[in-house]
Amino acid sequence: DTEVTQTPKHLVMGMTNKKSLKCEQHMGHRAMYWYKQKAKKPPELMFVYSYEKLSINESVPSRFSPECPNSSLLNLHLHALQPEDSALYLCASSQDYSSGDEQYFGPGTRLTVT
Amino acid sequence: AQKITQTQPGMFVQEKEAVTLDCTYDTSDPSYGLFWYKQPSSGEMIFLIYQGSYDQQNATEGRYSLNFQKARKSANLVISASQLGDSAMYFCAMREDMDSNYQLIWGAGTKLIIKP
Repeated sequence: DTEVTQTPKHLVMGMTNKKSLKCEQHMGHRAMYWYKQKAKKPPELMFVYSYEKLSINESVPSRFSPECPNSSLLNLHLHALQPEDSALYLCASSQDYSSGDEQYFGPGTRLTVT
Repeated sequence: AQKITQTQPGMFVQEKEAVTLDCTYDTSDPSYGLFWYKQPSSGEMIFLIYQGSYDQQNATEGRYSLNFQKARKSANLVISASQLGDSAMYFCAMREDMDSNYQLIWGAGTKLIIKP
């Protein structure tokens, strides 16, 4: 069952709010990813977790804080965001990061920062 | 230089016709992988098909096939017997195995609309 779930589906937050995005996969994958996608553009990689350790941080501002509580869960904590952070946030997982396997994506969270 | 080029920003195709979505790539890495993803308006990125650089045969997956021409560095996606549900954005992506980051390099995408 290739399924990655994300909550919430939609989120509207003010610039002073703190919120979290959640991602879960039950495929036994050891790599998990956060992407940001603006309208009509390809996804941009933000973070990669491999075996629950942060492997890649693509120079993402500190107002985005990832967390991997266990091998199935990935969170993205948001604080003091800017309107330009409004985007679709996609979570993905793959069997293993270094093998370069296909990534399976969740449905995304559409974030609007007001 | 663009590493992944999708030259068709948009395409209109009649239902039941076959569709070819173009993707060319640029790499000096002898070992790489090519992926196609579909993204409907709902937002979910759906993995369709994968081709490894050393694979001898073109990948196929149901109605999807990948026309892999290594010398031309092209990896076109062919969708047979198109359906209304095929309307979506399609992204071609590449992974270079010498890149220790193993990140996907994405094309700009092609928006496919199937007409009834």
